[in-house]
Amino acid sequence: QVQLVQSGAEVKKPGASVKVSCKASGYTFTSNFMHWVRQAPGQGLEWMGIIHPGDGGTTYAQQFQGRVTMTSDRSTSTVYMDLSSLRSEDTAVYYCAREENSFDIWGRGTVVTVSS
Amino acid sequence: QAGLTQPPSVSKGLRQTATLTCTGNSNNVGNEGATWLQQHQGHPPKLLSYRDNNRPSGISERLSASTSGNTASLTITGLQPEDEADYYCSAWDNSLSAWVFGGGTKLTVL
Repeated sequence: QVQLVQSGAEVKKPGASVKVSCKASGYTFTSNFMHWVRQAPGQGLEWMGIIHPGDGGTTYAQQFQGRVTMTSDRSTSTVYMDLSSLRSEDTAVYYCAREENSFDIWGRGTVVTVSS
Repeated sequence: QAGLTQPPSVSKGLRQTATLTCTGNSNNVGNEGATWLQQHQGHPPKLLSYRDNNRPSGISERLSASTSGNTASLTITGLQPEDEADYYCSAWDNSLSAWVFGGGTKLTVL
């Protein structure tokens, strides 16, 4: 079945970077865009951007431009989200979600904690 | 970044009908309709409906979605305890070239 498996929890210091992975299986990896969405503790969902795993094309939300980089590795069917210059407000659960008639399949999320 | 507007909370009784709303503008909800997601505490969101009343397989027929102008609605009939969750709407905004989300509505089934 279609599955998105994300990397484990991370603890980072302010100013550092974090790279979260999302490994896809059960479908043709290059056929669907992949979103990244985050959710701060007790808050709602926030769209970060989208990548096409086939050609690596990306669109980032304006508030993350310059700090986020999304990449894909077709050999391992994995997409990555790299967020730099971390601050405490970046503490959140980071989700990948497949784009197939909107956000049809979600990963379980990766907790990123930014703390000194 | 401008988002969509949802009421923070809605409470309804068991077996009653709840209608959740999501207000945007002509660049997002009014243009391509809305996507609806359900999230139970501690779990990732789950797709309920896309581009108005298109339900993925396995989603209950008790759920229906619609759009009127710039406002999208999700109606849940015959409320059950498992319907108690947070509900989010989302839409592509063609002026921002970005997906936008509502702040979410917490549905309580009494």
